[in-house]
Amino acid sequence: DTGVSQNPRHKITKRGQNVTFRCDPISEHNRLYWYRQTLGQGPEFLTYFQNEAQLEKSRLLSDRFSAERPKGSFSTLEIQRTEQGDSAMYLCASSLEFGGPGNQPQHFGDGTRLSIL
Amino acid sequence: AQSVTQLGSHVSVSEGALVLLRCNYSSSVPPYLFWYVQYPNQGLQLLLKYTTGATLVKGINGFEAEFKKSETSFHLTKPSAHMSDAAEYFCVVNYGGSQGNLIFGKGTKLSVKP
Repeated sequence: DTGVSQNPRHKITKRGQNVTFRCDPISEHNRLYWYRQTLGQGPEFLTYFQNEAQLEKSRLLSDRFSAERPKGSFSTLEIQRTEQGDSAMYLCASSLEFGGPGNQPQHFGDGTRLSIL
Repeated sequence: AQSVTQLGSHVSVSEGALVLLRCNYSSSVPPYLFWYVQYPNQGLQLLLKYTTGATLVKGINGFEAEFKKSETSFHLTKPSAHMSDAAEYFCVVNYGGSQGNLIFGKGTKLSVKP
């Protein structure tokens, strides 16, 4: 068990640029989640996948945000035309669910910190 | 709307003192309950969870929490604080269903004084 891996750890970019983050979940985990955490707040749910299917995406913050998990393994989160308000920590988590109601704990990566200049 | 409330954004205790971090959830239907800890610039680590069964749950690092349905509470305690316990603690609920997403409290930052 190597844990959830996120890359890069830090990303600094200019406003208006596109950014993409990668998450590699724990290998046997079928669910993958993305969260955003701003300073002084708890993580805020964005979207999640069960295998390659994106089952919830209504919480993505705007149409500039999109996520993929093409082969049911790693996932990417893309933000287009970044804005100052996108500066935050973006966390990925994974879990192993057998169609149950979500009582399995989620395992988190260390996050990608995005800073918009 | 379903929510979780943590009382006190910052708690300070002396080393060796009791740690009590308070958490209340909003639903009359008991959710699944978790406590996570976050150290600076790191992700979140699971401390303990309650799903069903015994209402007193023991976790890592000497922490425990008790689920009280009548009070809709899930307070986190540790009998004796250690300097290494200084971190931010999040009470988290999952009401199940198809979303599967966690709802986080705003967090309580624990400081431990020598």
